[in-house]
Amino acid sequence: DADVTQTPRNRITKTGKRIMLECSQTKGHDRMYWYRQDPGLGLQLIYYSFDVKDINKGEISDGYSVSRQAQAKFSLSLESAIPNQTALYFCATSDPQGTGISNEQFFGPGTRLTVL
Amino acid sequence: GNSVTQMEGPVTLSEEAFLTINCTYTATGYPSLFWYVQYPGEGLQLLLKATKADDKGSNKGFEATYRKETTSFHLEKGSVQVSDSAVYFCALSDRASGFGNEKLTFGTGTRLTIIP
Repeated sequence: DADVTQTPRNRITKTGKRIMLECSQTKGHDRMYWYRQDPGLGLQLIYYSFDVKDINKGEISDGYSVSRQAQAKFSLSLESAIPNQTALYFCATSDPQGTGISNEQFFGPGTRLTVL
Repeated sequence: GNSVTQMEGPVTLSEEAFLTINCTYTATGYPSLFWYVQYPGEGLQLLLKATKADDKGSNKGFEATYRKETTSFHLEKGSVQVSDSAVYFCALSDRASGFGNEKLTFGTGTRLTIIP
C-alpha cells in the first residue's frame, strides 16, 4: 500500500463550488504539506503543518484553507473554486532529523483538479 | 529570497546519450540541494541530495555535485535509458531561517524524453 494517499485522484467541479482534497499518510511523519503544480511553474507551497496544532501559510494560500484532523490526515479545501485553481495538487510528508539537516519529502500521487 | 533556476525543456535524447540538466540557485543561507523525479502519473520522488558544499549526490547512475562557488547543482548521467523519461525538479531547502524551517523551493522542472 502507498505510504501517502490522496483522494480523489481526479475531480471536475464548477466555479463557486466548495471542494475538499484529502491526504492520508502511514509514515508516522509529523510534517505535512500541500503543493500545487502548474505547467512551467514547478511546485508552489500552499500550506504546511509541522504538527497537529501547527498550521502555516505557504506562498500561495489565498483561496485555500486546510485542516489537520490528526497526525495522519491533512485536508485542503477550496471554499469557492475558480478556474485558475485548475492544477495538479500534491500532498507531501517529512520527518526531520535532530541535526537540522533537511530531509526528503515523500509525495502522494496527486489530485488533478479541473474547475469549469 | 530563495530561488532555483533550471534548464528549460523539453529535452529529447537518444538512448545511451550523455545527460546534463543545469540547475543554479540563490539562497540566503546554507541550503541543502535536491533532485526530484516525477514519472508519468506519479508524485515526485527523491532522486539524490547533497547537504554541503562539494558533496556529490548519486543514485541510479545519476550524479550531481554541490558547487558553492558557482551556486550550481547540475544533474548528469553518462548513459540514459528510455526508463529515465520523466520530469526532473531541482530544489533547495534553506536552513538559514532556523532549525525546523525545512520548506522546499522548487525549480520549474525539466521534461526529459529518451528515444530508443
